[in-house]
Amino acid sequence: NLMLTQPHSVSGSPGETITISCTGSSGSIASNYVQWYQQRPGSAPTSVVRQDNQRPSGVPDRFSGSIDTSSNSASLTISGLKPEDEADYYCQSYDATTRVVFGGGTRLTVL
Amino acid sequence: QVHLVESGGGVVQPGRSLRLSCAASGFTFSAYPMHWVRQAPGKGLEWVAVVSSDGRTEYYADSVKGRFTISRDNSKSTLYLQVNTPRPEDTAVYYCVRDPGVRSEWLLIFDYWGQGTLVTVSS
Repeated sequence: NLMLTQPHSVSGSPGETITISCTGSSGSIASNYVQWYQQRPGSAPTSVVRQDNQRPSGVPDRFSGSIDTSSNSASLTISGLKPEDEADYYCQSYDATTRVVFGGGTRLTVL
Repeated sequence: QVHLVESGGGVVQPGRSLRLSCAASGFTFSAYPMHWVRQAPGKGLEWVAVVSSDGRTEYYADSVKGRFTISRDNSKSTLYLQVNTPRPEDTAVYYCVRDPGVRSEWLLIFDYWGQGTLVTVSS
């Protein structure tokens, strides 16, 4: 069964660039699309990257997604870090049996 | 704009039933597959179930299969989740979520989320 592993936490200072990884446990992570969601404290999640590297309307271009087949992982990169980027971030994908999987989440702290 | 409003949460005893509802507005509800996703207190996100746009096809997470039922009434633009024989581990905020797979079975990605309704399973 597909599992997605994320680091528990990452941190960065305003203006810096950070990357959050999402590593697949089995099969190729490139086989199905990967999405990324931002969840601020007390709020519902919102989509920041869909279908590996597409930004939904309204999401700043500071947010970007990518796939690295050599490490079987997806990454979310946030450049020009801002205080309002502090949140939990979740990657999400699915397998051929219609099983939707989320990563465990990464807490981003803006120092 | 897209608006999803969940209701029906509360405290329920183990083994009792409850039904969650999600009222949708701002889009053609009948054209989109819909999901329920939950989040236990202080924990991560867990997908629960999906229903196709026409309501004919459903799929469930193993953790709720046989106990939960997802359904929809397109004439009322409303999504439902029937929760039977709940367990303490079902305690969570339940989110109603839209799948952008217009007029398809589903894409298994999520574009709009409601604010959620809290279900607490406790005696």
